[in-house]
Amino acid sequence: LAKTTQPISMDSYEGQEVNITCSHNNIATNDYITWYQQFPSQGPRFIIQGYKTKVTNEVASLFIPADRKSSTLSLPRVSLSDTAVYYCLVGPTGTASKLTFGTGTRLQVTL
Amino acid sequence: NAGVTQTPKFQVLKTGQSMTLQCAQDMNHNSMYWYRQDPGMGLRLIYYSASEGTTDKGEVPNGYNVSRLNKREFSLRLESAAPSQTSVYFCASIIRGQKDTEAFFGQGTRLTVV
Repeated sequence: LAKTTQPISMDSYEGQEVNITCSHNNIATNDYITWYQQFPSQGPRFIIQGYKTKVTNEVASLFIPADRKSSTLSLPRVSLSDTAVYYCLVGPTGTASKLTFGTGTRLQVTL
Repeated sequence: NAGVTQTPKFQVLKTGQSMTLQCAQDMNHNSMYWYRQDPGMGLRLIYYSASEGTTDKGEVPNGYNVSRLNKREFSLRLESAAPSQTSVYFCASIIRGQKDTEAFFGQGTRLTVV
């Protein structure tokens, strides 16, 4: 499984765009990149998943460069309710495998 | 649609006692997982079940056993609880498509061992 590295914490003001970068230097050809969000006292929630280039949904965008050794989760115009821990996971889809979470990035949004 | 349901939500055990944490999903997913999360930490995988009838160890399996009773249910058993097992336990089930893998988590079981 590809090891991932994320910043431990980030701070932002409400209304700003937040970009959280994840490094995964040994990503394999069949690996996808998935981001989860976790609020206190809740289980993680799927945000977005991608393989290359850019993926966008109603919540976030995911940017993946051509070499796929890193990825950036972009949260547009964050609000206080976006305060959470964000996890980057790298692994294959379509087959059963360990789903390993790292320590994540703790995002704190303030007024 | 209930998704992933864990029982109980809270439990206090004395050292040496045993208990089983229950997890059930109604989404017809093949894969199910058990995690523990200690305060301020990330999730650590205890055991997982790729499909009905199979189970595999994760990162921290010692002190735990699991049973994949059927496709819906995946239980986690502590045979002799220890204070080090005080944690929040999350169960997850996973849909695996050709291009997508999305995990759905339960609300967690907060376990305290005294």
